[in-house]
This record gives sequence, C-alpha cells and structure tokens, in this order.
Amino acid sequence: GQSLEQPSEVTAVEGAIVQINCTYQTSGFYGLSWYQQHDGGAPTFLSYNALDGLEETGRFSSFLSRSDSYGYLLLQELQMKDSASYFCAGWASSGSARQLTFGSGTQLTVLP
Amino acid sequence: DTEVTQTPKHLVMGMTNKKSLKCEQHMGHRAMYWYKQKAKKPPELMFVYSYEKLSINESVPSRFSPECPNSSLLNLHLHALQPEDSALYLCASSQDPPEPPLVNTQYFGPGTRLTVL
Repeated sequence: GQSLEQPSEVTAVEGAIVQINCTYQTSGFYGLSWYQQHDGGAPTFLSYNALDGLEETGRFSSFLSRSDSYGYLLLQELQMKDSASYFCAGWASSGSARQLTFGSGTQLTVLP
Repeated sequence: DTEVTQTPKHLVMGMTNKKSLKCEQHMGHRAMYWYKQKAKKPPELMFVYSYEKLSINESVPSRFSPECPNSSLLNLHLHALQPEDSALYLCASSQDPPEPPLVNTQYFGPGTRLTVL
C-alpha cells in the first residue's frame, strides 16, 4: 500500500514563496505528482517527478528525492488565486495496472 | 485537447433509484479511473480500467458497478445507494504506459456531485 503525508494547512502572503512538503511510504513507487484543487472544482495537474531533482514550470517547481522518500512543491510569487488545496500523489504499480494514491492535502491560504 | 467530460454535473437520487454516471475522453488514453471525494478529503480510488479491462477494484461495494464500453467511455452504474455515498465522483484518464519523457499525467473531469436522499 501507499501512504503520503503533507501538512494540513499553510498560510502565506501575496508575493511570498511557500514550500509544501510530502513524505511517502509506498511499494512499487515510481513517481510523484502534484495537484491543485479549488473549492468545488476538480483536481488540476501541476507537475510530475519520476527522477530525483527539481522540475520547474513557471511559478511552480517540484522536487523529488527517492532516497529520502520526500518531495516538495514550491510556489513562488504567490497570488490570491493560488489559495486552494494542494495534493501530492504517488504513482505505484499494482499488478498490471498503475494507480495514483493521494496525500491528505494541504490547504493553502494566501493573504493580501 | 486535454479534456475529460462528465455527465451529469449534479445528481440527486433516492436509495431505491438506479442511475448512471458517464465519463468521456478523446485523448487516446488507455487507462481510466473512478474516484470518490468527500468534502475536505483527498480523492479515493474506486476502480481502474486499463485497455478497457477492469484492473483494480478497491473493495468497492457492489452497489457501484463500473463499465467501460470502449476506450473513450467509462460509466458508473449506481443502485440502492446509501446517504453516506453522497460525494463528488471524479473520472480521470491517463496514458498507460507513461508518455515520454516519463511524464505520467492523470487528467480529471469536473466531477458529478451526487446526493443520496
């Protein structure tokens, strides 16, 4: 099975940088994804790390260390619209299929 | 086109009703998923279809019955549901195997908000 842990809440101000950490315990793990979900909406894909290191996509970056079973999402130049829930999610193989297991989610509040 | 569509957007049903949720994608993805999400909780995997065959059933009660008529469509048939089944039901799809360079993206539909009375 899989378990992923992340902080339940993070608060920051506009223009700041925030890091959301995720630690995982999983068998058959092969990648870590990050999703954003606004209230009432569907999860939206942000990034995916299969290899160790940093992936950068605009204001968002994601990092993975497989040896430490750890990753993080870095959000820069925070905007009010970034207020949302952020989920880390681990990909693992289960028999012939691949499945994604979500962490419990981090509620990010961006203050003016 | 990275769109997954779901119908209906909202559904209210009684415990004796039979209804179906529908999901469609035209991205050529061969893996499709059903998730259940309660408020303030992460999505919970229910079923995975890979190449139109059910590959994962996460011990979901039989009152939920999935169906994959073809590679673009996924249905979830509902029968004799309980009030605790009220939730947002999300459909998703992804490439299987992953796309190069090792990117594994799962695209979600907007969901069906189900209320069981």
